[in-house]
Amino acid sequence: AQTVTQSQPEMSVQEAETVTLSCTYDTSENNYYLFWYKQPPSRQMILVIRQEAYKQQNATENRFSVNFQKAAKSFSLKISDSQLGDTAMYFCAFMKPTAQGGSEKLVFGKGTKLTVNP
Amino acid sequence: GAVVSQHPSWVICKSGTSVKIECRSLDFQATTMFWYRQFPKQSLMLMATSNEGSKATYEQGVEKDKFLINHASLTLSTLTVTSAHPEDSSFYICSAPDRARGKLFFGSGTQLSVL
Repeated sequence: AQTVTQSQPEMSVQEAETVTLSCTYDTSENNYYLFWYKQPPSRQMILVIRQEAYKQQNATENRFSVNFQKAAKSFSLKISDSQLGDTAMYFCAFMKPTAQGGSEKLVFGKGTKLTVNP
Repeated sequence: GAVVSQHPSWVICKSGTSVKIECRSLDFQATTMFWYRQFPKQSLMLMATSNEGSKATYEQGVEKDKFLINHASLTLSTLTVTSAHPEDSSFYICSAPDRARGKLFFGSGTQLSVL
């Protein structure tokens, strides 16, 4: 079974600074997807960024980028120019697609609570 | 706007009663939907996979008779918590994949409090 580990229960950063959230995972699969989700106090799950394992290039979305190290099974999230609105829980998640398609179930890490301080 | 609608947003019920939560895809068909549970300050744990027109697939340790899932149409899945007890109090979230767009959408969640 796949597992996702987030070793930082809480992190804080000053506004406009950069912060990196860690995530490691364990799988024997070669093809899979990795995600970072943000859950603000509203508890709505918001997709931050997604990475396909077969792509060597690290995904980026504006201020958010990942460092995907497939051999090390590491998938960290870097948030640049942190903003107050980035304050939230951040979950790393793993998805293993099936050959038939149709298995978009996610395995989540325990989350990192990020606080951006003014 | 929301493409997956989940209702109710919160519900309070007495111990022993049943509660139904709806998850609806608004502008796409979803033959599969997923139900998660999130306890306070914890992560999301998959409870079951809802399959349109067939039985749901439950994760290990989740009681089928306790958490009834019905996926009777291509846009609606329901989760019924039967004979609810205080330990069932939790945040329940559904998700639905829009395979045409290659995206996964989450509902806004339902906070269940059992007194």
